Amino acid sequence: EVHLVESGGGLVQPGGSLRLSCAASGITVSSNYMSWVRQAPVRGLEWVSVLESGETTYYADSVKGRFTISRDNSKNTLYLQMNNLRAEDTAVYYCTRINRDSTWHYDYWGQGTLVTVSS
Amino acid sequence: IQLTQSPSSLSASVGDRVTITCRASQDINSNLGWYQQKPGKAPKLLIYGASTLQSGVPSRFSGSGSGTDFTLTLSSLQPEDFAAYYCQQFKSYPWTFGQGTKVE
Repeated sequence: EVHLVESGGGLVQPGGSLRLSCAASGITVSSNYMSWVRQAPVRGLEWVSVLESGETTYYADSVKGRFTISRDNSKNTLYLQMNNLRAEDTAVYYCTRINRDSTWHYDYWGQGTLVTVSS
Repeated sequence: IQLTQSPSSLSASVGDRVTITCRASQDINSNLGWYQQKPGKAPKLLIYGASTLQSGVPSRFSGSGSGTDFTLTLSSLQPEDFAAYYCQQFKSYPWTFGQGTKVE
């Protein structure tokens, strides 16, 4: 059974930093495309970043240059380093696995971790 | 690629047939998924490849379409189906979601 467990969210001041973690079980993070998706309060879903199995990364324009996605293969954990945080980054952040067996889709999601950027 | 869902919300009753549409700003072939989200929970995959039902999802859910126009249909609304629904595309970066449809 697959489990993705996020942690690291919290309250941070504008301009501050946080690192989110996503501990995976049942899948190998390094063999998969892993992604972060966020949802601002009472808002829709927004893709944030992806780390391909070959270590290629992509980012949404809204976070490019401020966020960095990475993984630790020995811990089977995905990370999102968030710097220079803004109020508009306030959201629940979900860790997801992208299934590429046929047409791509997010098949596993974590429970989410809340990031609040406020002074 | 922009995805436009309609309606943004709808009111329905148990047993109703419900249809939600998603229009893409350019051709995305069949690279579209549908997700259900209940308050305080992570989204759940319903349909991928525009029309393939995810394992374990009830058969009252179905998806259709290709290119730019897609539809999610609930054949007979059940109490547990009151939720928000999102379409999402993987055709090209940045991967995008529709703005959501709330079924009330």
